[in-house]
Amino acid sequence: DIQMTQSPSSLSASVGDRVTITCRASQGISNYLAWFQQKPGKAPKSLIYAASTLQSGVPSKFSGSGSGTDFTLTISSLQPEDFATYYCQQYNSHPLTFGGGTKVEIK
Amino acid sequence: EVQLLESGGGLVQPGGSLRLSCAASGFTFSSYAMSWVRQAPGKGLEWVSAISGGGGATYYADTVKGRFTISRDNSKNTLYLQMNTLRAEDTALYYCTKDRISANWGQGTLVTVSS
Repeated sequence: DIQMTQSPSSLSASVGDRVTITCRASQGISNYLAWFQQKPGKAPKSLIYAASTLQSGVPSKFSGSGSGTDFTLTISSLQPEDFATYYCQQYNSHPLTFGGGTKVEIK
Repeated sequence: EVQLLESGGGLVQPGGSLRLSCAASGFTFSSYAMSWVRQAPGKGLEWVSAISGGGGATYYADTVKGRFTISRDNSKNTLYLQMNTLRAEDTALYYCTKDRISANWGQGTLVTVSS
């Protein structure tokens, strides 16, 4: 099975900060990587697929990059509505696997 | 608009069974793979199972293999998850998601396994 490791597990940031979250796969997954945002009490929301393609309606302040084993999610200017937990997921092969999550909190 | 509506959750004793359903609308259901993803209270996301659009291919996490069965009825636009021999560690909010990239999620149905 492919293991997905996210870092950091949590971070504190201020409004306006640039934030980067990393996700590492235990083996190469090409660009078969998705990112999700989850706010407390809500279902996850798809942000990015194919490592860098934004889902329809997702603001351009979110961006994704990477291929193979190393990936990043960047929020260019953190806004109050962006404080949430973010997850990566590989869909290269079954069983599909998620990273452990990164909680983005207000500093 | 894509809509996914899960149902069938509830309280069940260890060793018991439940069948979850997910009613889909707003897209051509039979054209898309579907998945179940769960989240234990206060924990992260765990992929559980997936099924191809035609239903001929199914996939399971090791933690549920042999106990859970995923299926679909494309004539009813409905996804199912039959859960047998339930354990306390299966307690979670169960989401259904659309396609391999989980582009859309339902609101979830809560399964509690407890005596």
